[in-house]
Amino acid sequence: DAKTTQPPSMDCAEGRAANLPCNHSTISGNEYVYWYRQIHSQGPQYIIHGLKNNETNEMASLIITEDRKSSTLILPHATLRDTAVYYCIVRATGTASKLTFGTGTRLQVTL
Amino acid sequence: DSGVTQTPKHLITATGQRVTLRCSPRSGDLSVYWYQQSLDQGLQFLIQYYNGEERAKGNILERFSAQQFPDLHSELNLSSLELGDSALYFCASSLTSGQSSDTQYFGPGTRLTVL
Repeated sequence: DAKTTQPPSMDCAEGRAANLPCNHSTISGNEYVYWYRQIHSQGPQYIIHGLKNNETNEMASLIITEDRKSSTLILPHATLRDTAVYYCIVRATGTASKLTFGTGTRLQVTL
Repeated sequence: DSGVTQTPKHLITATGQRVTLRCSPRSGDLSVYWYQQSLDQGLQFLIQYYNGEERAKGNILERFSAQQFPDLHSELNLSSLELGDSALYFCASSLTSGQSSDTQYFGPGTRLTVL
């Protein structure tokens, strides 16, 4: 699996956009970038994934650089409920594809 | 709500005992994955089953075993429990056998405490 690097923590004011970066410089051409988050000790929650193009869903946007070596998860209007640990994961190819979680970024949304 | 269910939510037991954790995948999903999250190790992949057959193994101890039944629910059996087995155990499911584009959805977890 390609290794990912994320800042250990970030702060964001409620109502502002939260931009969470991830470096994955060794990513292979057919590997996807996935984002999950874990609120306290709940089960990891799927947010979004992408291969090359930018993606958007009801939760977030994913911006992947053209060389695919880094990406940014954007929560457009962060709320207190978005306080969580955010994991950027590169999915290995093949027919048995576990998720390898790193230490993630702890996002604290404040008033 | 991801659609993945896990029982029980909490389990407290003693060292040396054996427990069984249960997972029901989302409707239509054929793969089940088990993960362990302890304070010092983070989230770690244990094992995957696809349509009843073992598909991949991670750092799963020999004291641990799993199976997936014909109705696709899965059980994780932990035996000869040690204090260090205290952790959160998560189950995830996905539609296929684990292609790169196949999203895994996680259950709420079982918190195991070994005293």
